[in-house]
Amino acid sequence: GAVVSQHPSRVICKSGTSVKIECRSLDFQATTMFWYRQFPKKSLMLMATSNEGSKATYEQGVEKDKFLINHASLTLSTLTVTSAHPEDSSFYICSARAGTSGSGGQFFGPGTRLTVL
Amino acid sequence: QKEVEQDPGPLSVPEGAIVSLNCTYSNSAFQYFMWYRQYSRKGPELLMYTYSSGNKEDGRFTAQVDKSSKYISLFIRDSQPSDSATYLCAMTSSGSARQLTFGSGTQLTVLP
Repeated sequence: GAVVSQHPSRVICKSGTSVKIECRSLDFQATTMFWYRQFPKKSLMLMATSNEGSKATYEQGVEKDKFLINHASLTLSTLTVTSAHPEDSSFYICSARAGTSGSGGQFFGPGTRLTVL
Repeated sequence: QKEVEQDPGPLSVPEGAIVSLNCTYSNSAFQYFMWYRQYSRKGPELLMYTYSSGNKEDGRFTAQVDKSSKYISLFIRDSQPSDSATYLCAMTSSGSARQLTFGSGTQLTVLP
């Protein structure tokens, strides 16, 4: 199946710093990537939809200036958490959908655990 | 009312049992239905994908969709301890964005 990678898998940072998370589709081109946030024992919460070459579409309640998304190529999207605070600590997961796919299936990355001290 | 309802469990079964996981939904526009398996501290893994109503079988897994009842199921035959995970149903309507709407997930433990 399609493989999606995320880097880093885990990051610990001090409050006020910015953290960049990379999401890559390794064996297919992804015109659309999605960024999710997941709290312990909870389902995935969609944060934003990222389309290659255009601005991301953010879900209601998600601060676009805090969670910067860049989808620079068909295989890479980045999420930057700016001026991180302890309440931003969470599990961040990206997914990618192949551009030519006629299905709704998405392939998920392994996730990035962010801890803000 | 949530768009997708899923019993969070936890569900514990003995090894070898048949497991039935279910979701109901309210949006009749949903056309694509998926089941994901998520191990602890890992990203979800696509298990089964079904378009519209019907059954789909893959090894020990069978997915069923009943659009008239707005009800989907995942059956796991001969369950194994390695099947212990959280199972998430997801669905989406036709359309270019194809955003997924997830159930809350069911935590399954298969006891050896």
